[in-house]
Amino acid sequence: GESVGLHLPTLSVQEGDNSIINCAYSNSASDYFIWYKQESGKGPQFIIDIRSNMDKRQGQRVTVLLNKTVKHLSLQIAATQPGDSAVYFCAENTDDYKLSFGAGTTVTVRA
Amino acid sequence: DAGVIQSPRHEVTEMGQEVTLRCKPISGHNSLFWYRQTMMRGLELLIYFNNNVPIDDSGMPEDRFSAKMPNASFSTLKIQPSEPRDSAVYFCASSTGHVDEQYFGPGTRLTVT
Repeated sequence: GESVGLHLPTLSVQEGDNSIINCAYSNSASDYFIWYKQESGKGPQFIIDIRSNMDKRQGQRVTVLLNKTVKHLSLQIAATQPGDSAVYFCAENTDDYKLSFGAGTTVTVRA
Repeated sequence: DAGVIQSPRHEVTEMGQEVTLRCKPISGHNSLFWYRQTMMRGLELLIYFNNNVPIDDSGMPEDRFSAKMPNASFSTLKIQPSEPRDSAVYFCASSTGHVDEQYFGPGTRLTVT
């Protein structure tokens, strides 16, 4: 399944399929980006980050892609599992210490 | 490590009452952040402390909001007087540096009636 975070804030994906969550960021000067996962009743949890001198970074079952030309960030989750159901936020570093968070995309995994 | 600890987890109060939210950051972290999360506005930074000193409080909505960090292991966010529009989930986060990975606490869900 695939979503554009700002325009389609929900994503329903079949268990076992790959998920793609998209995010458009606003500040061309941002040089650091983070994806967070927030489960119901919990605080956001770090998933993966990427700096602007990279265009791809891989973690365990997750990959972040950065396209600075169009100011676009995506999170790919391989073999989506029920435990991946959560709200996913992208965040951009807009200042020395500030993170600006996107609206979030709700991912629901269908069994 | 227990992670960032927040208390209380839930707070229900009446309009006009004082509310105090508490946070214990991860030991060794020198940066602390208070955020507010609502459906309408998402996750907003309220205030940022570095080495116990408030660096940026531009996100604090009004004078009714105040935050302190008397030592490296404790911070409070106070709302006095509280209003219904303050209802939200308030998160505390800490990190080892300025923009390094921030570890969030479980949040305090505040309801002002």
